[in-house]
Amino acid sequence: GQQLNQSPQSMFIQEGEDVSMNCTSSSIFNTWLWYKQDPGEGPVLLIALYKAGELTSNGRLTAQFGITRKDSFLNISASIPSDVGIYFCAGQEQGAQKLVFGQGTRLTINP
Amino acid sequence: DAGVTQSPTHLIKTRGQQVTLRCSPKSGHDTVSWYQQALGQGPQFIFQYYEEEERQRGNFPDRFSGHQFPNYSSELNVNALLLGDSALYLCASSLDLVGETQYFGPGTRLLVL
Repeated sequence: GQQLNQSPQSMFIQEGEDVSMNCTSSSIFNTWLWYKQDPGEGPVLLIALYKAGELTSNGRLTAQFGITRKDSFLNISASIPSDVGIYFCAGQEQGAQKLVFGQGTRLTINP
Repeated sequence: DAGVTQSPTHLIKTRGQQVTLRCSPKSGHDTVSWYQQALGQGPQFIFQYYEEEERQRGNFPDRFSGHQFPNYSSELNVNALLLGDSALYLCASSLDLVGETQYFGPGTRLLVL
């Protein structure tokens, strides 16, 4: 099925480091979303982006909606142990109901 | 305020059997979407229900069917189960308004033997 290209696939960092991950698509999306999924749980919404060029923050998280509407990035500053998990980007086309997800970025933090 | 709930949490079936998964949306939400998440992959859209009708469908065979009830809860049915149907099945609810995002339940882990 259709998926977004998300990178990197995995990251191993030290506690306190900053993290950056991104998502690209061949399709234009009207909405970009970033979710975090812990083991055995469903994805939890972190940030939603609705306008090209929009930069939005949620605590230590910052995400941007690319001006071409074909990409987005998520930054996490000063990582802490509870940031461990899998991060997914998701796009939604205009008029479509479905979300299209990336393959995920698995974040591991060494204390 | 209850979030999205799903039942059962885990399920084991054998090939050829049929399964029904259930979802109750977040309070106030009227739209339910179902996703399949294979191990190590992102969720894949199965279909969405609004006003008790299927509104959009992903690339899944007719073995996958659903239903939405007047109280907005929903069921996902899968017939003639295959080994490849083993996955985490996620339900997401939302309001039928432009810009409203989808909120996910914890999922049902289905294992087909």
